[in-house]
Amino acid sequence: GDQVEQSPSALSLHEGTDSALRCNFTTTMRSVQWFRQNSRGSLISLFYLASGTKENGRLKSAFDSKERRYSTLHIRDAQLEDSGTYFCAADPNTGKLTFGDGTVLTVKP
Amino acid sequence: EAAVTQSPRNKVAVTGGKVTLSCNQTNNHNNMYWYRQDTGHGLRLIHYSYGAGSTEKGDIPDGYKASRPSQENFSLILELATPSQTSVYFCASGEPRDTTNERLFFGHGTKLSVL
Repeated sequence: GDQVEQSPSALSLHEGTDSALRCNFTTTMRSVQWFRQNSRGSLISLFYLASGTKENGRLKSAFDSKERRYSTLHIRDAQLEDSGTYFCAADPNTGKLTFGDGTVLTVKP
Repeated sequence: EAAVTQSPRNKVAVTGGKVTLSCNQTNNHNNMYWYRQDTGHGLRLIHYSYGAGSTEKGDIPDGYKASRPSQENFSLILELATPSQTSVYFCASGEPRDTTNERLFFGHGTKLSVL
């Protein structure tokens, strides 16, 4: 969407490497969520953040608490099963989420 | 873990026909949503609901109606389907935004082709 800009649009990693995905917002957001969509099309919620950082295993997400204009998703020690499309979605305090266009992540052996 | 079930999983419809997509959630969430996803893009909000009897327009409501007859069920209705409505449709449920956990839980999607 226009309010949520994801980068990069595609990313290729070798197993064991680290990387970061980013979402920039054209307006101040109240909260952000990160999702992964697998090859079958299923969407899985990874993180919900209203501020600060959250970590789950090899994934860590941060939401800029000051300006509230960007969020990042860090992937540590990438594995083949991390492949998929990652979406961020943010709420500009309307109660409705606006999705980015996604980052297609491919992890290679 | 919330369970959100969509039916059908696949649907082929003719132009001008009526299509109803159904969604059922078993986690007693107040909010439910219908999104569509087109190839290479993120999800766009069509309609949403705050609870039984409530429906609200999302960002792209034209050509769609919604119905929330109960807490568990939320339907998306295409009265006169058009080829431009060919897409994958996702239903989601979640808690209201003033609660501490607003994660959305998605169904597996319905692939709709309008010929």
